Amino acid sequence: NAGVTQTPKFQVLKTGQSMTLQCAQDMNHNSMYWYRQDPGMGLRLIYYSASEGTTDKGEVPNGYNVSRLNKREFSLRLESAAPSQTSVYFCASRWTGSSYEQYFGPGTRLTVT
Amino acid sequence: DQQVKQNSPSLSVQEGRISILNCDYTNSMFDYFLWYKKYPAEGPTFLISISSIKDKNEDGRFTVFLNKSAKHLSLHIVPSQPGDSAVYFCAASGEETSGSRLTFGEGTQLTVNP
Repeated sequence: NAGVTQTPKFQVLKTGQSMTLQCAQDMNHNSMYWYRQDPGMGLRLIYYSASEGTTDKGEVPNGYNVSRLNKREFSLRLESAAPSQTSVYFCASRWTGSSYEQYFGPGTRLTVT
Repeated sequence: DQQVKQNSPSLSVQEGRISILNCDYTNSMFDYFLWYKKYPAEGPTFLISISSIKDKNEDGRFTVFLNKSAKHLSLHIVPSQPGDSAVYFCAASGEETSGSRLTFGEGTQLTVNP
């Protein structure tokens, strides 16, 4: 049981390049989330998927798109990377029930030059 | 508008003493609160939570206190150990929050000195 996995672990992009961050969970969770973490700002929600087939914007969605490929996988795409998107990106998942606990992946450190 | 705020960016305590981490929130619709712990180069891991119907929840060395009238919660770690050195995030959510989203504070870096 690997939990939440993310690829890649590190990535360097030039301004204007595109890339997709991959996330998968093997806990049969319904909901999945993408966050970014910046110094002094905590974790901010980019997009989330409450259930398979649905996606919604979070707090900071501009410049990103997502795809809930199936129940296990939720990808985050940067179409045209900007230096402001330099951050650490975390994927999380949650079983829809009485607990609000989310389980996080190990993160992807992205640098945009 | 920062709905969840951790006003102390850092805290340093001696091993064996109590660590108290604080968190304030502004949204009265929040009814569930969580604490996460994060080591460098790892994802956050869940530590402890509390529902708004309680004012205290305890799990081993970790206790969370909730003061709803003051919109304030705190995490107590007793006794503190060097392995507790990490960044601690508080988070809040509620039934009315779409997708049961979590709103996180900025984090507090706890350092426990041997």
